Amino acid sequence: QITLKESGPTLVKPTQTLTLTCTFSGFSLSTSGVGVGWIRQPPGKALEWLALIYWDDVDLYSPSLKSRVTITKDTSKNQVVLTMTNMDPIDTGTYYCAHSNPRAFDIWGQGTMVAVSS
Amino acid sequence: SYDLTQTPSVSVSPGQTASITCSGDKLREKYVYWYQQKPGQSPVLIIYQDNKRPSGIPERFSGSSSGNTATLTISGTQAMDEADYFCQAWDSSAVVFGGGTKLTVL
Repeated sequence: QITLKESGPTLVKPTQTLTLTCTFSGFSLSTSGVGVGWIRQPPGKALEWLALIYWDDVDLYSPSLKSRVTITKDTSKNQVVLTMTNMDPIDTGTYYCAHSNPRAFDIWGQGTMVAVSS
Repeated sequence: SYDLTQTPSVSVSPGQTASITCSGDKLREKYVYWYQQKPGQSPVLIIYQDNKRPSGIPERFSGSSSGNTATLTISGTQAMDEADYFCQAWDSSAVVFGGGTKLTVL
């Protein structure tokens, strides 16, 4: 059974860097074709893709956020980490990590709410 | 940037067929994925590669694609199908989501 869980701060101040960790089980990020992505959702709004990392270390980023976002993986710990710099109140929302196989997000974490406020 | 356009809201009576569309330039050349999201819950993949259903997804959910429009069809809509639905596609090496459609069953 595949599960993913996001963890990190619930509140960050403007200009700070956000670091979120996705801890997963039930699959390995060293298996061919597998990836883990990050998607966020402002309250009451649409899903927005942020980044995706694959088993072979290929990493993809949203063009609009590429300058602010970094995704890394630790295969031995079954974790994927997202960092987002220069946080702003408009970045407030729920952040999800999801398993990708490899082009669809077939299993999602429960999400973690992040508020950006001084 | 690539955009996927969805009608913000659709209403359907119980037992009727609901159609939710997703439009994008040259969408016929891309695979489309559909997600269902109920209030307070994480999205669930319900259609992949235009028309395939993951294990456990009811047969009343189906997908199709023609021209620049993909359609999610829910046959015999039930009250439990009331949710937000998002389409997704790939544009080169980037994932794109549609703006979402709120399905109301009344």
